[in-house]
Amino acid sequence: KAGVTQTPRYLIKTRGQQVTLSCSPISGHRSVSWYQQTPGQGLQFLFEYFSETQRNKGNFPGRFSGRQFSNSRSEMNVSTLELGDSALYLCASSLEGTKNIQYFGAGTRLSVL
Amino acid sequence: GQSLEQPSEVTAVEGAIVQINCTYQTSGFYGLSWYQQHDGGAPTFLSYNALDGLEETGRFSSFLSRSDSYGYLLLQELQMKDSASYFCAVRDQSGANNLFFGTGTRLTVIP
Repeated sequence: KAGVTQTPRYLIKTRGQQVTLSCSPISGHRSVSWYQQTPGQGLQFLFEYFSETQRNKGNFPGRFSGRQFSNSRSEMNVSTLELGDSALYLCASSLEGTKNIQYFGAGTRLSVL
Repeated sequence: GQSLEQPSEVTAVEGAIVQINCTYQTSGFYGLSWYQQHDGGAPTFLSYNALDGLEETGRFSSFLSRSDSYGYLLLQELQMKDSASYFCAVRDQSGANNLFFGTGTRLTVIP
């Protein structure tokens, strides 16, 4: 069974640009969560999607958005990039009922210059 | 709000045993999880405790005391490949699927 796939693995953008990251969950997993990881703040929850609906949202500005497609694939978008958005963005999928067990992708490392 | 505290760094010798502690504060508790993350890699699930006591998975064990809001991860027969960051995590206090992570403990295994 294939794991969680995130593309691209690396991105370099400049301030003010926008970016879209993609995540393909494990087959059969309908819940997809996104996290931001930085050295200073650690792993922080961005949002979770389930059956194409945003089910939960973390404490991030509206520049961060996402969506989920009918095949459970998910995208997240960051508009008007700021230097502080430089981070590793991780996607995780899980099965309903498995609660605390999430399967993470390798992440997209975003550098904003 | 929620908070999770764990030591920032731990160093241990190859073959030894190390314990990584985690204390948590959350209004709704849905279990304590542990994840491992190697440099440049993805977090991977290690263990989960919903009830008090010890859960053993090979060389790794995890313990939970809900009355003390405390848990730990125990790694036995340490190997060099165990050098990584270890995170404790609780589910969001609303009961949603997302996890709230501690700041992580960087374990360095030395020969």
